Amino acid sequence: QKEVEQNSGPLSVPEGAIASLNCTYSDRGSQSFFWYRQYSGKSPELIMFIYSNGDKEDGRFTAQLNKASQYVSLLIRDSQPSDSATYLCAVIGDRGSTLGRLYFGRGTQLTVWP
Amino acid sequence: GAVVSQHPSRVICKSGTSVKIECRSLDFQATTMFWYRQFPKKSLMLMATSNEGSKATYEQGVEKDKFLINHASLTLSTLTVTSAHPEDSSFYICSAKGVSSYEQYFGPGTRLTVT
Repeated sequence: QKEVEQNSGPLSVPEGAIASLNCTYSDRGSQSFFWYRQYSGKSPELIMFIYSNGDKEDGRFTAQLNKASQYVSLLIRDSQPSDSATYLCAVIGDRGSTLGRLYFGRGTQLTVWP
Repeated sequence: GAVVSQHPSRVICKSGTSVKIECRSLDFQATTMFWYRQFPKKSLMLMATSNEGSKATYEQGVEKDKFLINHASLTLSTLTVTSAHPEDSSFYICSAKGVSSYEQYFGPGTRLTVT
């Protein structure tokens, strides 16, 4: 069983600030990590994935992975009110019966206020 | 990103009837599809994993005779809720994974209300 921990928040930041979302995972052998955004009443949307240690940038989003510390984070620069959502961290099962299955954290609720 | 559709987006049915939900990958071949349910303000709960051409693998506590899953092609999986009851009312979401990637893409979800 893979455990994925997230601070449930709520995290509240002003418009234009950097929002920092954190996630830790229990299985040291995990290789693939994902961030999903879920608006209220909607399904999750994949916004970032990262497989290697270090940073990966895509527009205003940066995912950071530190496998030694079993830590993955998501930074949102220049936060906008439209970024207000629940952010889900997920780790993928990579062997046997868990192959391909996503293990989700409970999600961090982010509010960006104007 | 890849596109996954679900149909219907909303359905209301009477207790005791069956409802079929379709999940389609529109621009890629999905060897594996996953079915989730989500109650309001709760986490996603994986119900089953469906591989094309084989029987679905159900999570503990999910009744396979009640939630029938068929994955007959690389672009279509269906979930049938049989003999639905009000407690089956929920948001059902599918996701799909391609042949050579780890990324999973979610459909828009189906909101089921059983009266």
